[in-house]
Amino acid sequence: EVQLVESGGGLVQPGSPLKLSCAASGFTFSSNWLNWIRQAPGKGLEWVASINPDGSSTYYPDTVKGRFVVSKDNAKNTGYLQMNNLRSEDTAMYYCARTSFDYWGQGVMVTVSS
Amino acid sequence: DVVMTQTPPSLSVAIGQSVSISCKSSQSLVYSDGKTYLHWLLQSPGRSPKRLIYQVSNLGSGVPDRFSGTGSQKDFTLKISRVEAEDLGVYYCAQTTHFPDTFGAGTKLELK
Repeated sequence: EVQLVESGGGLVQPGSPLKLSCAASGFTFSSNWLNWIRQAPGKGLEWVASINPDGSSTYYPDTVKGRFVVSKDNAKNTGYLQMNNLRSEDTAMYYCARTSFDYWGQGVMVTVSS
Repeated sequence: DVVMTQTPPSLSVAIGQSVSISCKSSQSLVYSDGKTYLHWLLQSPGRSPKRLIYQVSNLGSGVPDRFSGTGSQKDFTLKISRVEAEDLGVYYCAQTTHFPDTFGAGTKLELK
């Protein structure tokens, strides 16, 4: 059974860093893209990062470029989202999802507030 | 970026009724391999999104055949025949043809 399980969320102050993890199981992690998508409270879905199967290429929208870094450790079947210099507008539920959004994790909440 | 426009923003339905949701893209979603990477997701209340349909019309694993997807190029439709209570939530269309992946704003399906 394919599973994606996020962890690492929490309440942080503006300007702080936070690192999210996405533990994968039930499929060949090293053969799949990994995406991070977020959803602000009461809002729609926003793509925030993607990484290709071997981790050699990463992609971001302008809203997080230079602040967020996506990575994956294929030996550990785990993906990561390092978020730096967090802002209040980064407050959201963060999901990891597999290629073409076929499987999603349960999500982890990130709240940026003083 | 490709803009995905979903209509209507909300729908109020009775159990057993059929409904359709429209999704229009600002560019053709046909990829160079000839495939169209337009997908439909359902986010049930308090849950993470689940992919219902991929590449316009292919049902995901375990998705009932009350759901169907049609369309081509820039114009797509999700139809739900005989709505059941478990179908309530927010439906999103999403495209993965063009970088970056983008989503529609969602259509909230509620009980009448």
